[in-house]
Amino acid sequence: EPEVTQTPSHQVTQMGQEVILRCVPISNHLYFYWYRQILGQKVEFLVSFYNNEISEKSEIFDDQFSVERPDGSNFTLKIRSTKLEDSAMYFCASSGGRTQYFGPGTRLLVL
Amino acid sequence: SQQGEEDPQALSIQEGENATMNCSYKTSINNLQWYRQNSGRGLVHLILIRSNEREKHSGRLRVTLDTSKKSSSLLITASRAADTASYFCATDRDIGGATNKLIFGTGTLLAVQP
Repeated sequence: EPEVTQTPSHQVTQMGQEVILRCVPISNHLYFYWYRQILGQKVEFLVSFYNNEISEKSEIFDDQFSVERPDGSNFTLKIRSTKLEDSAMYFCASSGGRTQYFGPGTRLLVL
Repeated sequence: SQQGEEDPQALSIQEGENATMNCSYKTSINNLQWYRQNSGRGLVHLILIRSNEREKHSGRLRVTLDTSKKSSSLLITASRAADTASYFCATDRDIGGATNKLIFGTGTLLAVQP
């Protein structure tokens, strides 16, 4: 069964460093998303992406964040200058319509 | 804004028993979905119910939706130890064009004792 994959599974970085989280959505899906979950808290929407552009973003998704679909398969989330509060599990999701399918997540720890 | 709240926050039952989790939300929705999350892992999609549906079944899962009360319930019948996980509801409003974001609830932590 097709699934969303994410790399790396874990990333540790120093505050102020740039990180790129990678996702490979399900191949025939057209809608892509990033969410995050701070430990012990709700899953929060960050951004949605369709037709090669951002369709919606949350207040969390400030100028430090960017997304890209550099080729036909990858979907990336970049955090330019990480802060301690960016430590969270980051989930990629893709959808061909109604149902959003999530990847296993990347656990980001900012020290 | 939409906001999902599940209750109970935590539920502990014996294997074989049924588990019922509830979700409430605040604004009109297009779809409501339930997801499962094993500790520290990804979100697994369980079932989607549309706003014009009242009940849906999938295996041991039964979901109901009451749009007049803005609430949904997830029933897991004949629970197993492997059902131990957190369960989240998530709502969306399809506002035309690109599929809308999901708003997640706070989750119910289900523990099924063998």
